Amino acid sequence: EAGVTQFPSHSVIEKGQTVTLRCDPISGHDNLYWYRRVMGKEIKFLLHFVKESKQDESGMPNNRFLAERTGGTYSTLKVQPAELEDSGVYFCASSATRGTEAFFGQGTRLTVV
Amino acid sequence: GQQVMQIPQYQHVQEGEDFTTYCNSSTTLSNIQWYKQRPGGHPVFLIQLVKSGEVKKQKRLTFQFGEAKKNSSLHITATQTTDVGTYFCSPGGSGNTGKLIFGQGTTLQVKP
Repeated sequence: EAGVTQFPSHSVIEKGQTVTLRCDPISGHDNLYWYRRVMGKEIKFLLHFVKESKQDESGMPNNRFLAERTGGTYSTLKVQPAELEDSGVYFCASSATRGTEAFFGQGTRLTVV
Repeated sequence: GQQVMQIPQYQHVQEGEDFTTYCNSSTTLSNIQWYKQRPGGHPVFLIQLVKSGEVKKQKRLTFQFGEAKKNSSLHITATQTTDVGTYFCSPGGSGNTGKLIFGQGTTLQVKP
């Protein structure tokens, strides 16, 4: 069975440009999470989907970030326009039920220059 | 929401020495999970503790959940270079919407 996959693995964009990250969770996992880790610091929660609904988006830094999960399958996280401080590794994770083991993707390393 | 403090933030040990990281909450937790992230890798689930006073072992790793379910620890006996990475705890608490949040992590360096 495929794990959580993220695309792209790396992205380098200029300040002001738009980037869209994609996450394909494990099939059948209703819970999907987005996180960001900057410079080896904490894993910062961004938001949580249950199926196609945003259960909690309290971690989204501002309105330049937009996450969607149409149909409750894969999810996208769009940053528009990107700023320098958006650089970091964006992780997606999925779990079958609330509070159970989360499986992480390999992450997307975003560099804004 | 649930918040936890992890200490220490960094730990350098000589290979063969023991290592312990602590995860502390001001509120009672329903459960706690531990994850490990190797340098350049992604977080990987290690274990979940649910019961008060629970102790679980995985080879050289020992996980404990406090009697009051407000703290937890991960102890590694006789560290090896393969133990290098950052260890995160993730609390589950009553009233939690189900989102998974993480402590600040403890980064372990092991000198061969």
